[in-house]
Amino acid sequence: SQTIHQWPATLVQPVGSPLSLECTVEGTSNPNLYWYRQAAGRGLQLLFYSIGIGQISSEVPQNLSASRPQDRQFILSSKKLLLSDSGFYLCAWSVMSGQQETQYFGPGTRLLVL
Amino acid sequence: SQKIEQNSETLNIQEGKTATLTCNYTNYSPAYLQWYRQDPGRGPVFLLLIRENEKEKRKERLKVTFDTTLKQSLFHITASQPADSATYLCARMNTGFQKLVFGTGTRLLVSP
Repeated sequence: SQTIHQWPATLVQPVGSPLSLECTVEGTSNPNLYWYRQAAGRGLQLLFYSIGIGQISSEVPQNLSASRPQDRQFILSSKKLLLSDSGFYLCAWSVMSGQQETQYFGPGTRLLVL
Repeated sequence: SQKIEQNSETLNIQEGKTATLTCNYTNYSPAYLQWYRQDPGRGPVFLLLIRENEKEKRKERLKVTFDTTLKQSLFHITASQPADSATYLCARMNTGFQKLVFGTGTRLLVSP
């Protein structure tokens, strides 16, 4: 069966510090991968998505970046965190089945920037 | 732009009643709509998918409808239980790459 891992679960970082969140998927090949951010009381905001190794598309201009060094690994990074980067970060994977696609989410990382 | 709108207010119902959540979309009908459940501090979990040409779909105590005239999907939980308390998200698939657009979700609170 497929599983998705994210770490760390919780992170408290000072403003201006770097960030690296990792997501890995097991049990599937060539998945589509996604990074979302969910601010308190708000919906899911798509940050990045990837259809393959080294292929990253950005949805929202910001000081975050993403990389996909391996088929089932997706990394979210920042060189200098802002207060506004605080939120709940979710990684998700999907595989198209026919014309439909369902996304499977990881447990999330709660980031607090102080 | 293609949007999804959900009532952001908490829906409070009594145990045993039917909960009905609404999802409205803009512009053209998506190929399908999806419903997810999200518990506090957890990632969303997929529940049901309904295609544009399907009027209704059921799964155990869950029922989803798709009305292309009203541009609306309704999500029903019959015989609701306190364990059904969570936030329920509606999502549409947009054209082009496989990107889901999520609504902000509606929180459901089932009281015993």
